[in-house]
Amino acid sequence: QQQVKQSPQSLIVQKGGISIINCAYENTAFDYFPWYQQFPGKGPALLIAIRPDVSEKKEGRFTISFNKSAKQFSLHIMDSQPGDSATYFCAASRGYQKVTFGIGTKLQVIP
Amino acid sequence: ETGVTQSPTHLIKTRGQQVTLRCSSQSGHNTVSWYQQALGQGPQFIFQYYREEENGRGNFPPRFSGLQFPNYSSELNVNALELDDSALYLCASSPYAGANTGELFFGEGSRLTVL
Repeated sequence: QQQVKQSPQSLIVQKGGISIINCAYENTAFDYFPWYQQFPGKGPALLIAIRPDVSEKKEGRFTISFNKSAKQFSLHIMDSQPGDSATYFCAASRGYQKVTFGIGTKLQVIP
Repeated sequence: ETGVTQSPTHLIKTRGQQVTLRCSSQSGHNTVSWYQQALGQGPQFIFQYYREEENGRGNFPPRFSGLQFPNYSSELNVNALELDDSALYLCASSPYAGANTGELFFGEGSRLTVL
């Protein structure tokens, strides 16, 4: 059962462009929505996270938009750079319970 | 501050064998979770350990088992290996349970290949 659906699975963006990754969840009990970034050969690392009482959170070039009624959230990467090329996972959890991950989006930023 | 370390980094086993993977948690973290990441997929929760007790389990059969030691390090054991067990096994540590946060600190993983 895929509780967190993520799209697209791959994305190619030109340097300086905006990368957008979308996720949808089913379980309304989820109360924490992180995004993880994973480089080849490395474990995932937390990038940014949001709670459902906030509609948007921005950290540098990274912004999460959250739509509680639609049960959707998205990651926007502004001014995308080649160093942003990685796999991005959206995720969701309830309290301190297990974190459920999306399938991942492989982002490639081309010069 | 020492991050999460896992060993071994790579290993090859044959069907039916058993494997033990090890994880040292980040300093100050007393909760350890294990995830299985198949190629091209997101991590899947196996189980979590807190204060040496299993504190939640995902949809994995009993041949997946674990331990947490008093120093908060952990082991993942998989018996009767199957071809589908081939994956990257990730260990993640986090601060005390009940902190109401899902932030996980991952190691680099152990790549298991079952032939």
